[in-house]
Amino acid sequence: DGGITQSPKYLFRKEGQNVTLSCEQNLNHDAMYWYRQDPGQGLRLIYYSQIVNDFQKGDIAEGYSVSREKKESFPLTVTSAQKNPTAFYLCASGGTGANVLTFGAGSRLTVL
Amino acid sequence: AQSVTQLDSHVSVSEGTPVLLRCNYSSSYSPSLFWYVQHPNKGLQLLLKYTSAATLVKGINGFEAEFKKSETSFHLTKPSAHMSDAAEYFCVVSDHGAGRRALTFGSGTRLQVQP
Repeated sequence: DGGITQSPKYLFRKEGQNVTLSCEQNLNHDAMYWYRQDPGQGLRLIYYSQIVNDFQKGDIAEGYSVSREKKESFPLTVTSAQKNPTAFYLCASGGTGANVLTFGAGSRLTVL
Repeated sequence: AQSVTQLDSHVSVSEGTPVLLRCNYSSSYSPSLFWYVQHPNKGLQLLLKYTSAATLVKGINGFEAEFKKSETSFHLTKPSAHMSDAAEYFCVVSDHGAGRRALTFGSGTRLQVQP
């Protein structure tokens, strides 16, 4: 079955450490997205990519970095510069011209 | 800029009674609008979408929503709630008209269904 796989599902990080969240899709979608979810705030866009080797900042990109070396993969690195990284992170993808997104199951990051 | 406001952060209904989750939007373009559902610690699933065709949109699990341009609303309804409907619901507007292929999410409405 086609879909999006995020890993790990749960991740704990010490302050000052960088961590990378994985997102892989086998839907042959061109566009991929990273959202951050905090209670009562809905989803906020971190980064998005419409094509391989290209990506744009979203509304809250500070303290995060991404890469898009392959169509199937869009990893997100949460750097030590992110002041409040504890959150639920959701990856999504969408086909060309489509604005319907398919979401992964999410990764919950907790900073100790 | 486009935005979306979900008017209730929490809604509680009894099983078998109607559900109404309210959403208002603002958009400088002809909007595409969506409702997504999220069960605890899960990703989001598309319930239904409006993309300038019929104003009454039917989705999965008996949900439907009506696009009302004059009221800038896109409320989600269901005639009879089921226990499995308990989840968080997000109203979403497309930013495509603004040149950015991403979605803007409302803050969510948590639906509680009482037995």
